[in-house]
Amino acid sequence: KQEVTQIPAALSVPEGENLVLNCSFTDSAIYNLQWFRQDPGKGLTSLLLIQSSQREQTSGRLNASLDKSSGRSTLYIAASQPGDSATYLCAVKLNQAGTALIFGKGTTLSVSS
Amino acid sequence: DAGVIQSPRHEVTEMGQEVTLRCKLISGHNSLFWYRQTMMRGLELLIYFNNNVPIDDSGMPEDRFSAKMPNASFSTLKIQPSEPRDSAVYFCASSLSIGLAGANTGELFFGEGSRLTVL
Repeated sequence: KQEVTQIPAALSVPEGENLVLNCSFTDSAIYNLQWFRQDPGKGLTSLLLIQSSQREQTSGRLNASLDKSSGRSTLYIAASQPGDSATYLCAVKLNQAGTALIFGKGTTLSVSS
Repeated sequence: DAGVIQSPRHEVTEMGQEVTLRCKLISGHNSLFWYRQTMMRGLELLIYFNNNVPIDDSGMPEDRFSAKMPNASFSTLKIQPSEPRDSAVYFCASSLSIGLAGANTGELFFGEGSRLTVL
């Protein structure tokens, strides 16, 4: 059974720092991996989608990498801002019919000004 | 283009009452997912449909929960009778998927969620 783990559960940094959020998964036979952002009381917003054949995706100050063989993904946030404060979740889709995305429990990020 | 639309946004009800949550998919999407989020367990998949067909309902807690897709763009999640332990935020998400039973799921888009409180 696929398990997704995100470490740390919470992270506090001062504004301007570069930071890395980690995601690991137990079954490397994935179709894709997706990073989401969730603000308090809100739904999930898709940030980046990495297909299994890709190594990384970039969007603005965000860069997500994927190492399928080791079962790891990282989300790199450059020059963090207070507006980046949110919970970040990763989710993986197994390369198998009849399966849906499995989510980690997220990392709650707090960026202080 | 409108995103995934869920209603109601908030529902407070008493134990034993029937609860119906609604979801409208993004136009053109063919896969629909119902997730439940709690502090203790995070996001859990309840059920998902591909092309109106339920593919995996193993996450549905028990017979009190049922989900339907009466048409390609709309779904309901019903809890009858509701219990306090059902209190959670229920999310609907949709995507465009291809392949057998929607094996190749594209980017997932979420609604704003329905916060359910059962007293």
